[in-house]
Amino acid sequence: DVKVTQSSRYLVKRTGEKVFLECVQDMDHENMFWYRQDPGLGLRLIYFSYDVKMKEKGDIPEGYSVSREKKERFSLILESASTNQTSMYLCASSPASRGGFQEQYFGPGTRLTVT
Amino acid sequence: KNEVEQSPQNLTAQEGEFITINCSYSVGISALHWLQQHPGGGIVSLFMLSSGKKKHGRLIATINIQEKHSSLHITASHPRDSAVYICAVRRGNDMRFGAGTRLTVKP
Repeated sequence: DVKVTQSSRYLVKRTGEKVFLECVQDMDHENMFWYRQDPGLGLRLIYFSYDVKMKEKGDIPEGYSVSREKKERFSLILESASTNQTSMYLCASSPASRGGFQEQYFGPGTRLTVT
Repeated sequence: KNEVEQSPQNLTAQEGEFITINCSYSVGISALHWLQQHPGGGIVSLFMLSSGKKKHGRLIATINIQEKHSSLHITASHPRDSAVYICAVRRGNDMRFGAGTRLTVKP
């Protein structure tokens, strides 16, 4: 079974704090993703990575950065948290595309509240 | 306008009822996914399909590529089916998600 874990289920931070969200997958997947999920908007892609040290911006990268130093770990960083970053954050991983379809496997999510 | 539209947004049913959730999309896709998200946040994949119909237990997913439409059906619904159901479409490496349909099945 693929397992994607996230470092925290719930997190409360103050405005201006630096926040690290960690994601680890155990299936040697090449691709990893960070999404945020807000009511009425669905999941929106923040960043994704298709290899170690590689990253691509998604739809809403502003205010976020990422780090992928090891294949199994993908970190999302909020350099200076703001209240509009209060959201559910979901990490996912998938194998590299080999001309077919690849399914994404999701972590349990981190509900971040910025006060 | 969102590229992936789901209807209804919220759905309440009695146990045993037949459920249909709809998904329409406006872009060319290589595959469509149906996902289930239980309270607490975890998302699991139910189906991935590019044509026709797939069945898994009481769940059936269909897709009409020409009409850019997919449906998820649940037969003999049960309270444990209560969750948010999310439609997502894949275009290459890009995935677009619907806002989700919140299903509540009452005993």
